Amino acid sequence: AQSVTQPDIHITVSEGASLELRCNYSYGATPYLFWYVQSPGQGLQLLLKYFSGDTLVQGIKGFEAEFKRSQSSFNLRKPSVHWSDAAEYFCAVGAREYGNKLVFGAGTILRVKS
Amino acid sequence: EAGVAQSPRYKIIEKRQSVAFWCNPISGHATLYWYQQILGQGPKLLIQFQNNGVVDDSQLPKDRFSAERLKGVDSTLKIQPAKLEDSAVYLCASSRLGQTFYEQYFGPGTRLTVT
Repeated sequence: AQSVTQPDIHITVSEGASLELRCNYSYGATPYLFWYVQSPGQGLQLLLKYFSGDTLVQGIKGFEAEFKRSQSSFNLRKPSVHWSDAAEYFCAVGAREYGNKLVFGAGTILRVKS
Repeated sequence: EAGVAQSPRYKIIEKRQSVAFWCNPISGHATLYWYQQILGQGPKLLIQFQNNGVVDDSQLPKDRFSAERLKGVDSTLKIQPAKLEDSAVYLCASSRLGQTFYEQYFGPGTRLTVT
């Protein structure tokens, strides 16, 4: 079965600083990987996804993520954080053989200090 | 295109009462999911429908939770009777159906508080 680990529960960065949120997954074959963002009181919004091909994927709001098979990782990055990026970020893994369902990590809460 | 709609947005009930949540997926999306998100955790799949059939309900507490999608469009999730530990956000999501893996689109969720 798939599983996802987000090692950092909270991260605080200064506005304008770079950001990296970590995600490690467990799955035997090549998974489908996603990053979602959730603002308080809101649903989940898809930031980006990896299905195949180029291992560096670009998403919305200036985010990118890199799939590293050797490390079973899919870390999310942004070169310069804005105060509006403060939210909770979830990494998720899916697989066709598991019926398209997603397994989510526990999330990382991002705080941005001015 | 309209997104996934859910109602109500908030609900407060006492333990042992019953409650129902409604979800209307994106038009044309054959697959509908209900997730439970407990505070401090990631969403956990409760049940997955494909049209009006259940694909996966392995994590649905069937002694108290039920869900239906009678006409293959909108869906209702019910809890009867509610327990304190059911306090959570209930998220509905939908996706297309096909030969590949399709991303899921989420509604705003229903925040349930059981007192």
